[in-house]
Amino acid sequence: EADIYQTPRYLVIGTGKKITLECSQTMGHDKMYWYQQDPGMELHLIHYSYGVNSTEKGDLSSESTVSRIRTEHFPLTLESARPSHTSQYLCASRKSLAGGRDTQYFGPGTRLTVL
Amino acid sequence: KNQVEQSPQSLIILEGKNCTLQCNYTVSPFSNLRWYKQDTGRGPVSLTIMTFSENTKSNGRYTATLDADTKQSSLHITASQLSDSASYICVVSDRGSTLGRLYFGRGTQLTVWP
Repeated sequence: EADIYQTPRYLVIGTGKKITLECSQTMGHDKMYWYQQDPGMELHLIHYSYGVNSTEKGDLSSESTVSRIRTEHFPLTLESARPSHTSQYLCASRKSLAGGRDTQYFGPGTRLTVL
Repeated sequence: KNQVEQSPQSLIILEGKNCTLQCNYTVSPFSNLRWYKQDTGRGPVSLTIMTFSENTKSNGRYTATLDADTKQSSLHITASQLSDSASYICVVSDRGSTLGRLYFGRGTQLTVWP
């Protein structure tokens, strides 16, 4: 069982509000990721981090920002939420293993609805 | 362009029956291929991971195969249970970058009926 947590699990919020989606892992993994997933669609990488003070944008352009001040914590912030931000947001962390067997562990996700 | 294609898009089977899900990929250079199970409203959970040299891997009632030459993988579920109802996602990792980038399929939505 992976020790990666996301809060809130569900969030309904009005347009223009600032929101922060929390993600924490207790496995000591250096690499962490944020994905966006619409129903029936594949996951799209929006942010990743190799470690403390390291953040990069992913493949899918996103108006969100992230920070990595502590190894275990990788929050995602939307300064002004819009209906187009409605989606499921999945946080993940990854442990590198020899032989190409590194495994990515996912959190339970946050279902965001912007009205 | 690196891609992962899964079929069928959705599948309905009766409890106790077997089924096979397919995954074709064009990712290169290849590092590994994983199958994840994603319950509705939850994050994906890893079922199997296979590297280039492995052509079959089992995890209980789940058996994954890999043909690295044809770039195809399958996930076989034996004696299906109602709890197997979920989306099954094929994920391929490349080894061409430090990130070890992941490419996700859209998943096969499996529904098991009693």
